[in-house]
Amino acid sequence: GAGVSQTPSNKVTEKGKYVELRCDPISGHTALYWYRQSLGQGPEFLIYFQGTGAADDSGLPNDRFFAVRPEGSVSTLKIQRTERGDSAVYLCASSLVDADRTEAFFGQGTRLTVV
Amino acid sequence: AQSVSQHNHHVILSEAASLELGCNYSYGGTVNLFWYVQYPGQHLQLLLKYFSGDPLVKGIKGFEAEFIKSKFSFNLRKPSVQWSDTAEYFCAVNAPGNTGKLIFGQGTTLQVKP
Repeated sequence: GAGVSQTPSNKVTEKGKYVELRCDPISGHTALYWYRQSLGQGPEFLIYFQGTGAADDSGLPNDRFFAVRPEGSVSTLKIQRTERGDSAVYLCASSLVDADRTEAFFGQGTRLTVV
Repeated sequence: AQSVSQHNHHVILSEAASLELGCNYSYGGTVNLFWYVQYPGQHLQLLLKYFSGDPLVKGIKGFEAEFIKSKFSFNLRKPSVQWSDTAEYFCAVNAPGNTGKLIFGQGTTLQVKP
């Protein structure tokens, strides 16, 4: 596709459930980032993939959060035992190499609501 | 740790007014600087960026920003705003060679009254 695609656009889940959020980056972009944006805040870095490997996962808040990118393209962010505090917009971005000197393109995000 | 501070959380202007949004960052080394904009219902998109060279950078839609190293600032400006500039604006920084992850400010909501 032309841009970064994230699905679903909205997800409502019950506390304690497991969720998966999907990101389809721009074709050919090797770098992929996940961010989380809480209400009234700027996006916060979660994890960075270069190809298939997680090159930096220092932003993952705890071990309930996990992300994969098995073929170096689509990525899935997985959240186990969801908590109400996980409610946020989860953003995915991709860039050609890494966003050090190139622009990162963002998807529209997945709005996760934990009830 | 790097951090970014945006001084204005909510700005209301009339059309044709001039705009300046403040951004300060804390990091002692070389940085890359960005302004992103998010129009209502749309995704984050890049307004402008600074990597090196001329500290006055021009972006899309008439926006510009000036990097002042001594003040650790990267303020966004536009001489005359339009109603269509109503959006949320985010300043961001990354450190070269640090995987490209962006550190964002908390954002400024700009409302332009027609």
